[in-house]
Amino acid sequence: AQRVTQPEKLLSVFKGAPVELKCNYSYSGSPELFWYVQYSRQRLQLLLRHISRESIKGFTADLNKGETSFHLKKPFAQEEDSAMYYCALSDNTDKLIFGTGTRLQVFP
Amino acid sequence: NAGVTQTPKFRVLKTGQSMTLLCAQDMNHEYMYWYRQDPGMGLRLIHYSVGEGTTAKGEVPDGYNVSRLKKQNFLLGLESAAPSQTSVYFCASSRTLSDWAKNIQYFGAGTRLSVL
Repeated sequence: AQRVTQPEKLLSVFKGAPVELKCNYSYSGSPELFWYVQYSRQRLQLLLRHISRESIKGFTADLNKGETSFHLKKPFAQEEDSAMYYCALSDNTDKLIFGTGTRLQVFP
Repeated sequence: NAGVTQTPKFRVLKTGQSMTLLCAQDMNHEYMYWYRQDPGMGLRLIHYSVGEGTTAKGEVPDGYNVSRLKKQNFLLGLESAAPSQTSVYFCASSRTLSDWAKNIQYFGAGTRLSVL
């Protein structure tokens, strides 16, 4: 069955430190992966998707099919990056499969 | 442009009571979804719709019903609320049948429901 695993419930770093939020997936086909973010008191929104190969707010994510991973990275964390991050998988049906989320706390 | 609007924002129910959550979108989106968000469980899909008049079950549909009589509205009903349905409910919508667009989901602000 398709599954998205985010092993860390909470990740705490200091401002300026590198950040890596882990996401692993299980899917036998060709997946499409996403990162969604929910800032405090804001709606859940799309951060980035692997097919776009873009950097949003300094974040990047590379799809590694060999390791079935789609980790989200940022070289220098900012306090405004504190939020809940969800990795999601499209299995080419009409819906997304979300992971359990990782809360990122960036301390000053 | 309101996007996706959920009503109500908060609600407290007693066990056995019924209620309907309303989701409205003004983006002419085909797809609409209802999720519940619980600590440690992430977002779980309850029901979804790929167009007016259609509905389909998601991962956790038991205890819920939905209707999509109008394209812009997606209703989630709880016929007999249970404490296990205490959660934050999110509605989302996405664009048409384009593969590129349909996975970009736009979310509402959420409805916090407590069942006592």
